[in-house]
Amino acid sequence: AQKVTQAQTEISVVEKEDVTLDCVYETRDTTYYLFWYKQPPSGELVFLIRRNSFDEQNEISGRYSWNFQKSTSSFNFTITASQVVDSAVYFCALSRGGSQGNLIFGKGTKLSVKP
Amino acid sequence: DGGITQSPKYLFRKEGQNVTLSCEQNLNHDAMYWYRQDPGQGLRLIYYSQIVNDFQKGDIAEGYSVSREKKESFPLTVTSAQKNPTAFYLCASRPRDRGEVDQPQHFGDGTRLSIL
Repeated sequence: AQKVTQAQTEISVVEKEDVTLDCVYETRDTTYYLFWYKQPPSGELVFLIRRNSFDEQNEISGRYSWNFQKSTSSFNFTITASQVVDSAVYFCALSRGGSQGNLIFGKGTKLSVKP
Repeated sequence: DGGITQSPKYLFRKEGQNVTLSCEQNLNHDAMYWYRQDPGQGLRLIYYSQIVNDFQKGDIAEGYSVSREKKESFPLTVTSAQKNPTAFYLCASRPRDRGEVDQPQHFGDGTRLSIL
């Protein structure tokens, strides 16, 4: 069975702290994609990153970085020098096998960044 | 600007009533999706459609129905058979896979449905 686990339900940090959001997945597929989405209070999901199972290179985009480790089935997301605008719910998602674009979402991690 | 428009933003349903949530996209995407989000939960797939006049059930299709008569539109009807409809509903779309697979889904702003 395929599954995505985001063990951290809520995280609260003070502005400028670094914070890591954990994502652990389960799948028997050899080819799959992992995604991170951000859901601000307004409600829409904003796509952040897509990573395929053959690309284990870490990625950095500004203050955001992602660490993909196939050996531990993890795809963690780090925000460096957090800002109040980073406050949102963050979802990790896994593409299903034989994918028609369908995703399995984790339950999300609510990040609160306080000034 | 291209995007996905969901309407209304808030919707109230009386007991025994069917209600329809609208989802329109002008991104020329082939595939469209409906998700349900409950507090503290991830998104669960209700229905999806890869092409006009065709759609498939997702994980929690009972009590819902959809149609896909036009590429741009994928309305969701919450029927009276859905006993716990209060939730946040999100519509998404994505382009067909051409060479590059599993392209990301783009989401609308959502509709919040409540029971009166």
